[in-house]
Amino acid sequence: EVQLLESGGGLVQPGGSLRLTCAASGFTFSAYAMSWVRQAPGKGLEWVSGISGRGTSTYYADSVKGRFTVSRDNSKNTLYLQMNSLRADDTAVYYCAKARLTVTPNFDCWGQGTLVTVSS
Amino acid sequence: SYELTQPPSVSVSPGQTARITCSADALPKQYAYWYQQKPGQAPVLVIYKDSERASGIPERFSGSRSGTTVTLTISGVQAEDEADYYCQSADSSGTYPVVFGGGTKLTVL
Repeated sequence: EVQLLESGGGLVQPGGSLRLTCAASGFTFSAYAMSWVRQAPGKGLEWVSGISGRGTSTYYADSVKGRFTVSRDNSKNTLYLQMNSLRADDTAVYYCAKARLTVTPNFDCWGQGTLVTVSS
Repeated sequence: SYELTQPPSVSVSPGQTARITCSADALPKQYAYWYQQKPGQAPVLVIYKDSERASGIPERFSGSRSGTTVTLTISGVQAEDEADYYCQSADSSGTYPVVFGGGTKLTVL
């Protein structure tokens, strides 16, 4: 069974940093691109970042470019999101999502999400 | 990048047909995807490549495209279908960035 389990969320002050982790199981992790998608309270889905299966290519939404860094450790079946210079509008539930094996990214498995709250 | 526009809400009675649209000024020649999200839960892929049903999705869910508008149709709506629905596509290059529509709240009356 494919499973994604996020962790690392919590309360952080504006300007602070946080690292999210997504532990994957049940599939050949290195074969699949992965993404982070967030959802602010009461709002819609917003794609944040993506990374290729080998980790050689990374992609970011304009809203986080230069502040967030996505990475993966295929030996540990783990995806990461390093978030720096956090702002109040980064407050959201962050989901990791497994991309299907297609050129156009789309996601067939999602974690349960981890809540990040940026507040003083 | 571009925006995908969905109606904020759609309401139907049980057994009726719900249609949720997703459009852009120039929806790129990329496929569209649909996700269902129930309160407190993660999204679930419902439709991929405009009209293909994802694994485990009931046959009452279908997708179609006409020009720059894609439509999710739920035939014979059931109470359990009440949820938020999001369309998704990608940049005109066909890859990143990923774009989501604003979401549509389906209410089953």
